[in-house]
Amino acid sequence: EIVLTQSPGTLSLSPGERATLSCRASQSVSSSYLAWYHQKPGQAPRLLIYGASSRAAGIPDRFSGSGSGTDFTLTISRLEPEDFAVYYCQQYGSSLWTFGQGTKVEIK
Amino acid sequence: QVQLVESGGGVVQPGGSLRLSCAASGFTFSSYGMHWVRQAPGKGLEWVAFIRYDGSNKYYADSVKGRFTISRDNSKNTLYLQMNSLRAEDTAVYYCAKGGGYCSNGVCYNFDYWGQGTLVTVSS
Repeated sequence: EIVLTQSPGTLSLSPGERATLSCRASQSVSSSYLAWYHQKPGQAPRLLIYGASSRAAGIPDRFSGSGSGTDFTLTISRLEPEDFAVYYCQQYGSSLWTFGQGTKVEIK
Repeated sequence: QVQLVESGGGVVQPGGSLRLSCAASGFTFSSYGMHWVRQAPGKGLEWVAFIRYDGSNKYYADSVKGRFTISRDNSKNTLYLQMNSLRAEDTAVYYCAKGGGYCSNGVCYNFDYWGQGTLVTVSS
């Protein structure tokens, strides 16, 4: 089973700042299968990025994804108040879907 | 618009059973694989099970294999999760999620729509 490790655990930033979140896989992952979600308290997760770098429908262009192999990155160019949430990466491999443990982006 | 509405959660004793349902609307249910994903209180997301659009393939997380069964009724646009031999560690909000994002050969490998979840509490 491929394990996804996200870092940092918590990111404390101010609105307008740039956020860089990391997702590292225990073995190589197909970029096609790599996605990012965010989840606000009391809400269901929302798909942000799939295929490592494609934005989902309705996702603003301040969100971007990159990476390949074992290292993937989600970048939020300028944080808006609604972006403070927990972010998860997710991959598929060998008939199993797995999530990273999450990165909390909190207001500094 | 796409809607997924879960039901069937509640409090059950260890060793007991529960059946969750997810009513889908706003898309062609019979064309998409569907998943159950759970989230223990204060914890992260854990994928539970997948069923192919036609029910021909089902996959499970190791933590639930042999105890949980995913199924679907395409005539009713409904997804199910039969949960047996429940344990305290199964306590979580259970979400149904539609396959989406990157798709290939009839399988979508991400989750593009989620329900609001139903809480399952396993406790004596």
